[in-house]
Amino acid sequence: EAGVTQFPSHSVIEKGQTVTLRCDPISGHDNLYWYRRVMGKEIKFLLHFVKESKQDESGMPNNRFLAERTGGTYSTLKVQPAELEDSGVYFCASSLQTGGPHEQYFGPGTRLTVT
Amino acid sequence: AQSVAQPEDQVNVAEGNPLTVKCTYSVSGNPYLFWYVQYPNRGLQFLLKYITGDNLVKGSYGFEAEFNKSQTSFHLKKPSALVSDSALYFCAVRRTYSSASKIIFGSGTRLSIRP
Repeated sequence: EAGVTQFPSHSVIEKGQTVTLRCDPISGHDNLYWYRRVMGKEIKFLLHFVKESKQDESGMPNNRFLAERTGGTYSTLKVQPAELEDSGVYFCASSLQTGGPHEQYFGPGTRLTVT
Repeated sequence: AQSVAQPEDQVNVAEGNPLTVKCTYSVSGNPYLFWYVQYPNRGLQFLLKYITGDNLVKGSYGFEAEFNKSQTSFHLKKPSALVSDSALYFCAVRRTYSSASKIIFGSGTRLSIRP
């Protein structure tokens, strides 16, 4: 079974540019999550999709971030325009069920560097 | 506010010695507790979790964790460290109500095992 995949693995962009990150969850997982780790700090929750619907987007930092999951399969996270403080590692995770003790399965992350 | 604390940025242990990576949490109720590990250039991998019951839980790669409710701690342990255990370890919690989804992570502890 393929795991969670993310693309690209690394992106370097200039301040003010746009970047789109992609996440493909494990097949059959309705729940998809985005997290990010900035500057070696804790990994912070961004948002949670159940199929194509946003279940919880309380962690999205501001309106420069837009997440979509059309069709309930893969998801994209767009940052427009990117700022220096957006640099970090963006993780995607998926799970079969919502809540409960079920672990989330994480992808390798996308390292975003904004210069 | 909910939070997870990993007081040590780095833990250094000689191969063959026991290791402990500390974690305390501040979350209302009785959360689910997790440990994840990140090897270089890899995603977060689930190690183990505590749901209820026995305070000592066993996980992958010979790791175990001890839950202490009175101290709100969930320390990760291994009786005999291997060089291959060198990685970044994250403690995490999730609340137990049915719609809870997001995982709250600590800032991570880098474990370095010297030969």
